[in-house]
Amino acid sequence: GAGVSQSPSNKVTEKGKDVELRCDPISGHTALYWYRQSLGQGLEFLIYFQGNSAPDKSGLPSDRFSAERTGGSVSTLTIQRTQQEDSAVYLCASSSGTGRLAKNIQYFGAGTRLSVL
Amino acid sequence: GENVEQHPSTLSVQEGDSAVIKCTYSDSASNYFPWYKQELGKRPQLIIDIRSNVGEKKDQRIAVTLNKTAKHFSLHITETQPEDSAVYFCAGLKRNTGFQKLVFGTGTRLLVSP
Repeated sequence: GAGVSQSPSNKVTEKGKDVELRCDPISGHTALYWYRQSLGQGLEFLIYFQGNSAPDKSGLPSDRFSAERTGGSVSTLTIQRTQQEDSAVYLCASSSGTGRLAKNIQYFGAGTRLSVL
Repeated sequence: GENVEQHPSTLSVQEGDSAVIKCTYSDSASNYFPWYKQELGKRPQLIIDIRSNVGEKKDQRIAVTLNKTAKHFSLHITETQPEDSAVYFCAGLKRNTGFQKLVFGTGTRLLVSP
């Protein structure tokens, strides 16, 4: 079946503009994660959705960042008033759920490369 | 909460040598430890994982060991090949009220020279 899909693959924007990044998880996966990866750096956790539970937003770096997940499927990460330091690859991952450990395997999308000029 | 530390940050080896990457975790209740490989420009992909009821797991040239007492786990790659060059991330499962979340280490850049 289809893997995790992210769009756009590349986004160039001007400083101060808002951007929306989209993630389509694997069908049936209840858990969805957003990460940020700056050039040559590790995976910075941003936000985590699990089913209908309130999301874990503990990784969002500022109030300019927000995310939502509609209908328990597609998620949108929004960055308002973008800054140059927001430039990075934004990765989305999904997993089938919690409980059984195998369900915690995360499958990553190809990412959105955001460049803020 | 869970905190995962990973060492070294970079590792260079000659083809055919072994490579070892080490991680420590803080939450003694963590019970699942996967390893992800990210090739240049690609997405991270799971290569091996281990559960806390197992001390070692092997898959061809890759093995992972877990020491629950010391709260550390390691990735071992034997007979390294140039295609093993990538960034490797370890992770531990963090328990939180109601659900669990993977916490990743900072990554190790492995370079295998022919």
